[in-house]
Amino acid sequence: EPEVTQTPSHQVTQMGQEVILRCVPISNHLYFYWYRQILGQKVEFLVSFYNNEISEKSEIFDDQFSVERPDGSNFTLKIRSTKLEDSAMYFCASSVAIAGTSTDTQYFGPGTRLTVL
Amino acid sequence: AQKVTQAQTEISVVEKEDVTLDCVYETRDTTYYLFWYKQPPSGELVFLIRRNSFDEQNEISGRYSWNFQKSTSSFNFTITASQVVDSAVYFCALSEASDYKLSFGAGTTVTVRA
Repeated sequence: EPEVTQTPSHQVTQMGQEVILRCVPISNHLYFYWYRQILGQKVEFLVSFYNNEISEKSEIFDDQFSVERPDGSNFTLKIRSTKLEDSAMYFCASSVAIAGTSTDTQYFGPGTRLTVL
Repeated sequence: AQKVTQAQTEISVVEKEDVTLDCVYETRDTTYYLFWYKQPPSGELVFLIRRNSFDEQNEISGRYSWNFQKSTSSFNFTITASQVVDSAVYFCALSEASDYKLSFGAGTTVTVRA
């Protein structure tokens, strides 16, 4: 069964460093998402992406964050200058159709645990 | 304002007991979709079920069943004859036709004891 994959599974970085989290969505999916989950808290939406553009972003997704689909398979989340509060699990998800439609079930990757020291 | 509320923080049961998880949602859209996801201790998010706002028929899928009540904006989820492997955090989530994301509840931690 097709699945979303994410690399690395765990990333440790120093505050102020740039990190890139990578995701390979399910191949026939057109919509891509990033969510984050601070330890012990709920899953929070960061950004949705379609047709090489951001569809929607949350207040969390400030100028330090960016997303890109550099080729036909990868979807990346870049954090330019990490802060301690960026420590969280970051989930990538993909869906056939956009959220809020009849075929919008989002399938999640296993997550990347980011630790900022 | 919270769009999805899961009032139960933790539930602990003995194996083979049934577990019902409550979810109350808030939306102004007439078309929306509700989901349950499971997050086992390993951390991944696993899709379990979805329900469309225009279909209030309740269903059973294996040991899972759900009760969707539009009148009370509730979407409750039941695990029948729970097993230790059901121990996880369960999240209720909402997607609306007016935006492009899932809104998650705070989650309910289910512990099934042998």
